[in-house]
Formats: sequence, C-alpha cells, structure tokens
Amino acid sequence: DAGITQSPRYKITETGRQVTLMCHQTWSHSYMFWYRQDLGHGLRLIYYSAAADITDKGEVPDGYVVSRSKTENFPLTLESATRSQTSVYFCASSAKVRTSGANVLTFGAGSRLTVL
Amino acid sequence: SQQGEEDPQALSIQEGENATMNCSYKTSINNLQWYRQNSGRGLVHLILIRSNEREKHSGRLRVTLDTSKKSSSLLITASRAADTASYFCATVTGGGNKLTFGTGTQLKVEL
Repeated sequence: DAGITQSPRYKITETGRQVTLMCHQTWSHSYMFWYRQDLGHGLRLIYYSAAADITDKGEVPDGYVVSRSKTENFPLTLESATRSQTSVYFCASSAKVRTSGANVLTFGAGSRLTVL
Repeated sequence: SQQGEEDPQALSIQEGENATMNCSYKTSINNLQWYRQNSGRGLVHLILIRSNEREKHSGRLRVTLDTSKKSSSLLITASRAADTASYFCATVTGGGNKLTFGTGTQLKVEL
C-alpha cells in the first residue's frame, strides 16, 4: 500500500530496555522526520533526515538514535528507555509543493509508547 | 521552544457556525502551514501560506497571514461535526525544511 506506515502502533516496555520504532514510506520522499507529541508541548522534532545516510538533530534528540540506510526507512531507537519517553511518536515524510516550492509533511498514524 | 502558539487552546461551537483559530509565532518565517489531527490519528496538511501572501482559500478554509504582527488565523466556515479535531499551525524558517509546530487548538463542533 502506498503511504507512510509506522510500527508498532502500540508498545509497552520497561525502563532501561531498547525499543525501535519503525517508519516506512513508499513515495521516495527525500526528507523524513520523527516527532513526539505530549500534552502541553504539541509536537517536538526529535530527528530528521534529508536523504539516505544524512541525519540531523531536532529540538529533543537526547536518548534517541536514528539511522537511514535506505530512502524509504527511518527507524527511531530508544537505546535505554526512560519514563519521560512515554509519548506518541509520529513519523513524517516531506514532499515539496509544486506551486510554492515549500515542503508539506505527510504523517504516519503514530506509535504510542508507554515506558513503565 | 515552540515557534507557534495557538489561541484559543479549546473552542466549542455549534454546527453551522464559523470557527476562528489564531497562531502567533516568534521569528521571521518562510511559510506557515495548518494541519488537522483527528483523535488518535496522524496530522493531515490543510493549507499553506507563504510569507509574501496575505490570504489563501481552500474550500471552507480561509487563512490569513500578518507578518508585521507575526500572526496567522484559520477560519473554518459553516462548520460540521466532522471538523471536530485539533488544529496546529506550523512554521518554516529560512531555507530549512523543518516544521516547528504550535501546541494546537482543540475544536469541538456540536450538533
């Protein structure tokens, strides 16, 4: 199916465990992003990637690791999960709008992570 | 830090009424975008307005941008129950491709 898919949709883990959230897009978009959404904070950018093998930190990167070996995949890893990382995580990819040249984001459905 | 701040945080109206949400931002922008998020879903892009534009329309949506006041408004006319969702503004600064989101306005449209 065309689109952007995230897995798992729901995950419960324990403090200290490693967790990987997967993101896959079928449009060959150059840009991909990871945001976390928390009450009172809106969406905050964790990491983003401009192309395969190019990644950069966002606003809240601490405790997270990303990789982008293929254009279509952008996994997010929590190396040692903490309770403060309990959140809803959204992956997005970016296509430029032809008329304006600006980037518009298409989001996945989200991954709800609970760290006990 | 949040670039955009939406106002009000929550809005409840009757079906058929107009809904207006405001967004203020802090630094100069390249463009400003509005997104909708239905409960439990990802965000969906609604409309984009560039820094040299003052008003854009798309169906029942009207967006205005006042760069001198660093603010934007989203007007939804003739609201429907299906418009119930959270609405976020997002700004792009400089030549970058990163969007910075506000905290959102929760809109409830009652029958």
